[in-house]
Amino acid sequence: SQQGEEDPQALSIQEGENATMNCSYKTSINNLQWYRQNSGRGLVHLILIRSNEREKHSGRLRVTLDTSKKSSSLLITASRAADTASYFCATDLNNAGNMLTFGGGTRLMVKP
Amino acid sequence: DVKVTQSSRYLVKRTGEKVFLECVQDMDHENMFWYRQDPGLGLRLIYFSYDVKMKEKGDIPEGYSVSREKKERFSLILESASTNQTSMYLCASRWNYGYTFGSGTRLTVV
Repeated sequence: SQQGEEDPQALSIQEGENATMNCSYKTSINNLQWYRQNSGRGLVHLILIRSNEREKHSGRLRVTLDTSKKSSSLLITASRAADTASYFCATDLNNAGNMLTFGGGTRLMVKP
Repeated sequence: DVKVTQSSRYLVKRTGEKVFLECVQDMDHENMFWYRQDPGLGLRLIYFSYDVKMKEKGDIPEGYSVSREKKERFSLILESASTNQTSMYLCASRWNYGYTFGSGTRLTVV
């Protein structure tokens, strides 16, 4: 069952612009993760933020987490055409054992 | 680098056939998962396994079974393939916190 919901479902921007994707979830989490999926391929882990962290950076990626609002955002700065992909948030719930719960994803298109 | 390998990228099978989708990981991970992904429905968990010979149903196990005889291999079985099982199938194994996914198998049942 899906716990995280991303918005927007689709996003189209020009190369060089920033892309922001949001994820909301419903129950307490241990951590929240973001994954990327190129068309027709598997998902690739991008970044993890723990429940006691508020912000994390990795290269051009910036993730924030607001546990009071049960939401996270993924910012990709200075986007490139190669960033075109679907992006998924996944929550690691307190009571879910070793299972992640994935959202429906945001399809990002970066136009050259 | 860690690896999860799915045996086929594309597969076409006939209705009623028994289909085996294989997934192998080289990381000695205990937890492995099978998902299917359909447009508009996201990733849906079919089955998972937390150890050899152990399996648990996910959200949509109907029409599927699994086998985990060795730690590195987790097989998804479609007992009698149907057209509504046409989908992208993704296998994953869990490291400390996250998943490593295979490249996916796009299965078409005709």
